Amino acid sequence: QVQLQESGPGLVKPSETLSLICTVSGDSIKSHYWSWIRRPPGKGLEWIGYIYHTGSTNCDPSLKSRVTMSVDTSKNQFSLKLSSVTAADTAVYYCARGKTAVAGTWFDPWGQGTLVTVSS
Amino acid sequence: DIVMTQSPDSLAVSLGERATINCKSSQSVLNTSNNKNYLAWYQQKPGQPPKLLTYWASTRESGVPDRFSGSGSGTDFSLTISTLQAEDVAVYYCHQYYSAPFTFGPGTKVEIK
Repeated sequence: QVQLQESGPGLVKPSETLSLICTVSGDSIKSHYWSWIRRPPGKGLEWIGYIYHTGSTNCDPSLKSRVTMSVDTSKNQFSLKLSSVTAADTAVYYCARGKTAVAGTWFDPWGQGTLVTVSS
Repeated sequence: DIVMTQSPDSLAVSLGERATINCKSSQSVLNTSNNKNYLAWYQQKPGQPPKLLTYWASTRESGVPDRFSGSGSGTDFSLTISTLQAEDVAVYYCHQYYSAPFTFGPGTKVEIK
């Protein structure tokens, strides 16, 4: 059974960098594309970006200048860094697996999500 | 970017009745080379991550009750719950994976009347 678990600080100060790690169990991180998705309070789902085990990435253009994604195949983990955060970045952050072996695919499964609040 | 819209924003349906949610994409998500629509539906309950219901617009995920069905092609899609159960109260999202940036609809909240 494939499981994903997000981890990282739940509180980040404005202008600082949000850092999250997703740990994958039950599957090799080399076999799929892995995405970050968030849900701001009271709003819908927003795709942030994906990473492949080769280090290839793609992300939403509106976030591209602030997003860094990386993968650690030895730990079966991938990570997200979002710089210069503001209150608008407050959200539940999810990591998710692209179901098939191509970039354009549906997401399954998802991690439980972690709430990140941006506040001083 | 492909913009996804959903209607209605919310709907209240009696137990055992049909619920239909509509989703429209700003451009076609049909890949004519394989005749597949790159459209998925998810259900999200409070405090839980989204759960995959259907993909390729109409393929039901394993384990999803057959009262859930997806349909449509091109730019117009729908998710139907044939006989609403209490456990179906949730927010439902459509999602296009035809081209990056991948995008979701704003969600439709389904409640019991």
